[in-house]
Amino acid sequence: AQSVTQLDSHVSVSEGTPVLLRCNYSSSYSPSLFWYVQHPNKGLQLLLKYTSAATLVKGINGFEAEFKKSETSFHLTKPSAHMSDAAEYFCVVSDLGQAGTALIFGKGTTLSVSS
Amino acid sequence: DGGITQSPKYLFRKEGQNVTLSCEQNLNHDAMYWYRQDPGQGLRLIYYSQIVNDFQKGDIAEGYSVSREKKESFPLTVTSAQKNPTAFYLCASSPSAAAYEQYFGPGTRLTVT
Repeated sequence: AQSVTQLDSHVSVSEGTPVLLRCNYSSSYSPSLFWYVQHPNKGLQLLLKYTSAATLVKGINGFEAEFKKSETSFHLTKPSAHMSDAAEYFCVVSDLGQAGTALIFGKGTTLSVSS
Repeated sequence: DGGITQSPKYLFRKEGQNVTLSCEQNLNHDAMYWYRQDPGQGLRLIYYSQIVNDFQKGDIAEGYSVSREKKESFPLTVTSAQKNPTAFYLCASSPSAAAYEQYFGPGTRLTVT
């Protein structure tokens, strides 16, 4: 069965410093992987997705993630944090072998950005 | 302006009452989903529907019911049988059952006292 583990429940950075949010996954097939962002009391917005094309995926707002099959990881990075990046981030996996079912969400990482 | 609408944004009910949460989409998507979000738990799937007049239970369907009479609408009823209904509820849709990217509504925060 597929699963996803977000290694940090909370990450704190200063504005202008790099962001790293870590995610490991477990999947029986070639997975599709996503990062979503959620601001307080809002719905989720797709940041980026990996679906077996380029392993380095660029998303919105300067975020990117690298799919590493050997490490079963899909870490999210950004070179320079902005105050508006403060939110909750979810790493999500979906198996290509189980079309039609819902996504499997990690428990989330809360990103705090201080000035 | 395409998207997913959930109403109301905040909902308050007394224990023992059924309550229905609305979810409407004008994206012409076939598949729709309901998730429940609790602090520190991520999102958990309640029900999903791949086509009109068909729906499947998710991981935590007990105490909930849904209908899919129209392509654009997927209402969720939280019944009195749901032991801990206070949560943030999110509706999502995707273009088809074979599409893995989902689009989310703004959510409804339900408080039951």
